[in-house]
Amino acid sequence: GQQVMQIPQYQHVQEGEDFTTYCNSSTTLSNIQWYKQRPGGHPVFLIQLVKSGEVKKQKRLTFQFGEAKKNSSLHITATQTTDVGTYFCAGPNGGSQGNLIFGKGTKLSVKP
Amino acid sequence: DAMVIQNPRYQVTQFGKPVTLSCSQTLNHNVMYWYQQKSSQAPKLLFHYYDKDFNNEADTPDNFQSRRPNTSFCFLDIRSPGLGDAAMYLCATSRGDRGVYEQYFGPGTRLTVT
Repeated sequence: GQQVMQIPQYQHVQEGEDFTTYCNSSTTLSNIQWYKQRPGGHPVFLIQLVKSGEVKKQKRLTFQFGEAKKNSSLHITATQTTDVGTYFCAGPNGGSQGNLIFGKGTKLSVKP
Repeated sequence: DAMVIQNPRYQVTQFGKPVTLSCSQTLNHNVMYWYQQKSSQAPKLLFHYYDKDFNNEADTPDNFQSRRPNTSFCFLDIRSPGLGDAAMYLCATSRGDRGVYEQYFGPGTRLTVT
């Protein structure tokens, strides 16, 4: 079945360092979404990428969608303690409209 | 503010005692989802409603049921909770329009089974 894989599982960085998480799908995706879940919180939608090779930026966050629409990355420049949380990528389940398959997430911790 | 609300935020139930979790939304979204999330894991979809059309995931145990009496409300019923059902239960909504799939999550209900 369709799988969405995400690496690394954990990342510990010093405040100010950069951070990247990678997402790979076993199938071509029509779009990919990214969510952030703070400790003790719920997933919050960050962004959706639709076009092959698309790059979007939100302040210090840069999101990329691969040319083949099977992989994506989230890069954070100069991490801050407010970036702490788990970042999930999610792709549509090919069988049902609106359903998402989530990657296992990358848990980011930032040491001040 | 438009939002997704879940009640209660914390629920303790006994092994085998039925429990109902509730979700309401003011976003007027036509799709509502129930996820189970265990510690350090990704949300796992249990089922969803597209309007009144119920869709069950193949691996969702029969112990889990859902009701959506109207657009705004959705309920998760666990008929006989086991210790393995202790988890965070997240409700989410989506417009469900073609090409628009972002989901809005509620704060979740943390279920403890004793």
